[in-house]
Amino acid sequence: NAGVMQNPRHLVRRRGQEARLRCSPMKGHSHVYWYRQLPEEGLKFMVYLQKENIIDESGMPKERFSAEFPKEGPSILRIQQVVRGDSAAYFCASSPYSWNTEAFFGQGTRLTVV
Amino acid sequence: AQTVTQSQPEMSVQEAETVTLSCTYDTSESNYYLFWYKQPPSRQMILVIRQEAYKQQNATENRFSVNFQKAAKSFSLKISDSQLGDTAMYFCAFMHENQGGKLIFGQGTELSVKP
Repeated sequence: NAGVMQNPRHLVRRRGQEARLRCSPMKGHSHVYWYRQLPEEGLKFMVYLQKENIIDESGMPKERFSAEFPKEGPSILRIQQVVRGDSAAYFCASSPYSWNTEAFFGQGTRLTVV
Repeated sequence: AQTVTQSQPEMSVQEAETVTLSCTYDTSESNYYLFWYKQPPSRQMILVIRQEAYKQQNATENRFSVNFQKAAKSFSLKISDSQLGDTAMYFCAFMHENQGGKLIFGQGTELSVKP
């Protein structure tokens, strides 16, 4: 059973470009969570999704950021018109039901905006 | 709002010795979960141990154990017989029972195990 897969592992974008980060949850997991880790800080919650539904997006910046988890395929975190402050590691986690059951993190995508 | 504080940015320990990492949190809720995660240089977030607030018994996982003091809102991690592979960032995290997946993390403690 493969773990949570995130790709790419590293992504470099120029200011103003779009960044798309993908997360494939573990088999059988229908709950996906995105977190952001700025340098020298802990992870901060961004959004919680189930298939085709956003459950909690209270941690998402109001502009430029969006997330989806379609019926088929991976979850996507999309950042439009990236700025230097978006440079961070973005982590995805998945769980079979809610987080009260065991959840697993992916290895993260390190986004660098130049 | 809930907050999690780790007051030790860095710690070091000799191999085979015991070390305790501190964590305090602030909440007005009574039902919640607490976690310790390990982040080695590979950046992978690995669950070390979890504690349900309603359980009085401290959780243990092999060499890892916690001292959960609910009244004091303290949740420290003890690592016994430290190994070189324990070198990593350690994050304490809080999650309210009804906010599945929305963890609140502390700032982290960088632990170095020295040979």
